[in-house]
Parts: sequence; structure tokens; C-alpha cells
Amino acid sequence: DTAVSQTPKYLVTQMGNDKSIKCEQNLGHDTMYWYKQDSKKFLKIMFSYNNKELIINETVPNRFSPKSPDKAHLNLHINSLELGDSAVYFCASSQSGVDTQYFGPGTRLTVL
Amino acid sequence: AQSVTQLGSHVSVSEGALVLLRCNYSSSVPPYLFWYVQYPNQGLQLLLKYTTGATLVKGINGFEAEFKKSETSFHLTKPSAHMSDAAEYFCAVSDRREYGNKLVFGAGTILRVKS
Repeated sequence: DTAVSQTPKYLVTQMGNDKSIKCEQNLGHDTMYWYKQDSKKFLKIMFSYNNKELIINETVPNRFSPKSPDKAHLNLHINSLELGDSAVYFCASSQSGVDTQYFGPGTRLTVL
Repeated sequence: AQSVTQLGSHVSVSEGALVLLRCNYSSSVPPYLFWYVQYPNQGLQLLLKYTTGATLVKGINGFEAEFKKSETSFHLTKPSAHMSDAAEYFCAVSDRREYGNKLVFGAGTILRVKS
């Protein structure tokens, strides 16, 4: 069983479109994250949710809106996509009081 | 603010040789330290971590790292490189929150293993 899964794996879209990336974890963790890896492979945190509550919100444009319907899911919706949004987006999860984050396989977003 | 510097964006070793990937961190609080590995087109896999206790930590695939507070370093080593070790390696630091630790990553080091 995949511990942290993301869909889709690849996403190619036009500038200005709205798209969503879904993440699910079956590890029973209560904290989930979104990270962005840019074209130079630099990884940076975007958001974190604990028990469906937003706890980390880095300086990310308002076009990005995370949503956590329950502890096992954290989705990322992006409005009005721009060329600079092209990146690999990773979802991760961890358990409160435990430091290790487990990463999903990533979603490669290409904005044309 | 925390930060991580990985010296050397590319490291090349011969199969069977020692692997040394360097990581220095900056943190105003006692840090948690991690090494992750990323194979092409895959997610990140935890190699090892330091939280408290023994400063020499052993991880998967024969890797180990030593936390040196005085040098603010957490270098990753492996005595004998294998072709399957070729990948990109990321060092990361986080603070010690009750939940939602924010990982701050270094820029990564690509390890090439020559036959």
C-alpha cells in the first residue's frame, strides 16, 4: 500500500487555468504538508495542516489554496496558473510529536 | 531563521570509494537534522535523522551521519559507494515544534558513482 499518494502524477495545462492536486495518506498521521520543488530542485514548504487546521502558511500567492477535508487528505487548488508555477509539488505527512515527514511521489505541473 | 548549506552541487566517486556529502546548518535552537534521498522522478525517502542522543546516526543503505554541534555540521558518509547510490541527496533542518515541523532544505547534492 502506498503511504502517501498524489494525483495526478503529471499535469500539463495552459496559463490562466485553474487546477487541483490531491493528496492522501494512509499512515494515520495528523499533520500534512505541501512542498514545492522548482526547476533547480530547490525544495520549499508552502503549507501545513494539523487536524484540518492550517498551521504553516509561507509567503505563497493567494492563488494557491490548500483544503483539508479530513486528516487523511490535503488538496492543493491553484487559480489562474502562471508559467512560474511550473514545478514538482510534493505532499508529505507526519505525526504530532514525531519528527519524520513521509513524502509522496510528487506531481509535476507544467504550465504552457 | 534556519538554513542549510550543502557544499558541492555535484559529487563524483568511484564504485567502492568513500562517499562524503557535506551539510552545514544554521539554527537558533537545537535542531532536528535529516538526510533525504531522491531518485530520478521519485519522491523523497528518509535516509537518516538526528533528534537527540547519540551524535553518530546510522541510516538505511549503509549511510551514516555525525552531528557536530561545534562545527554546525551533519555530513553524510558511506564507506563504499555502490552504483545504486547514484541519486540526489538533500540535507534538511527543522525546529522542535510539537507538531508541524517546517523542514528547511539545502540545495541538494547530486551523487554520481563511476564504475
